[in-house]
Amino acid sequence: GIQVEQSPPDLILQEGANSTLRCNFSDSVNNLQWFHQNPWGQLINLFYIPSGTKQNGRLSATTVATERYSLLYISSSQTTDSGVYFCAVGSGGSYIPTFGRGTSLIVHP
Amino acid sequence: DSGVTQTPKHLITATGQRVTLRCSPRSGDLSVYWYQQSLDQGLQFLIQYYNGEERAKGNILERFSAQQFPDLHSELNLSSLELGDSALYFCASSHQSGGGGSSYNEQFFGPGTRLTVL
Repeated sequence: GIQVEQSPPDLILQEGANSTLRCNFSDSVNNLQWFHQNPWGQLINLFYIPSGTKQNGRLSATTVATERYSLLYISSSQTTDSGVYFCAVGSGGSYIPTFGRGTSLIVHP
Repeated sequence: DSGVTQTPKHLITATGQRVTLRCSPRSGDLSVYWYQQSLDQGLQFLIQYYNGEERAKGNILERFSAQQFPDLHSELNLSSLELGDSALYFCASSHQSGGGGSSYNEQFFGPGTRLTVL
């Protein structure tokens, strides 16, 4: 099956810093999502982005499907951004996502 | 709030017991997915239902079963529980589940049920 690698595995930032999280996948995909799992365990949808670029406030994402990667940008980070960020991808005729292991982000005040 | 509801939020039970987890999808969503999240295995897909029919199976144990009812809510049944079944169980829903990069495929997750087997 498709392999998903996320980097870095851990990230520690000071409030106000910017960061880029990366998701590499081993095959072509036609579905891709970014999620934020907050410290209470809730999985929050950030972007559905199988290709192209999207922005939502301080967050933006870009997927370059032909080169098999996606990037999540967090600008002016806040303590509430802490948690684990997951990339999930799917290929073929049915979207059964494969999740990466996630990037654990801690933002200090 | 994603619009997906799961009950109960927490469940503590003993080895050998059987439990049922319940999920109600977002209004209008036909597809329901179950996932298990444990520390060592990450987020693992278990099973998918679409409009009442089983559509796909992942790493689901034979001791586990699920169904989707006519009102589209779903239940995940876990039996002969073992210590290793302790995990966070998520339900997700989407309007459809196809290829082609349609936003109708986007999955939305419920708050999860935290199962502890003692």
